[in-house]
Amino acid sequence: EAGVTQFPSHSVIEKGQTVTLRCDPISGHDNLYWYRRVMGKEIKFLLHFVKESKQDESGMPNNRFLAERTGGTYSTLKVQPAELEDSGVYFCASSQVRTRGTDTQYFGPGTRLTVL
Amino acid sequence: DAKTTQPTSMDCAEGRAANLPCNHSTISGNEYVYWYRQIHSQGPQYIIHGLKNNETNEMASLIITEDRKSSTLILPHATLRDTAVYYCIVRVAGTNDYKLSFGAGTTVTVRA
Repeated sequence: EAGVTQFPSHSVIEKGQTVTLRCDPISGHDNLYWYRRVMGKEIKFLLHFVKESKQDESGMPNNRFLAERTGGTYSTLKVQPAELEDSGVYFCASSQVRTRGTDTQYFGPGTRLTVL
Repeated sequence: DAKTTQPTSMDCAEGRAANLPCNHSTISGNEYVYWYRQIHSQGPQYIIHGLKNNETNEMASLIITEDRKSSTLILPHATLRDTAVYYCIVRVAGTNDYKLSFGAGTTVTVRA
């Protein structure tokens, strides 16, 4: 079974440009999450989709970040315009709908974003 | 979610058991203990989770104290590839709050 995949693995862009990150969850996983780690900080939650609906976007830093999951399959995270402080590693995770009250999230390898 | 306290770092010898402690003294009855690890430059990897009972899988064992205020992750035979940052995370169940709250974790270095 294929795991969570993310594309690209690395992205280097200039400040002010736009970048779109993609995540393909494990097949059959309705839950999809985005997290990120910026330099020197802890991994932080960004948002959570259940199928195509945003369940929780409390971690999105500002309106320069837009996440979509059309059709409930893969998801994209767009940063527009990118700022220097957006540099970091963006992780995607997916899980099946909870059983027995909890779920297990499986993470992708991450996209390393560098904004110059 | 309850917060957790872990040592900043620890070393262990290859081939020996690694015992990683975690304190979660404010844990409530419907909160699970999860362990993840992050090997350098990779995404976080799920290890194990438990509610009250001890758990074991192919990767590790999780020992939860009877009062549930602390737990220990045991890697039975540590290898160099187990060098990673290990995160103990407490998550509430039965609500719509699904997010994982990563702290600083414990940096584990396995030495030959």
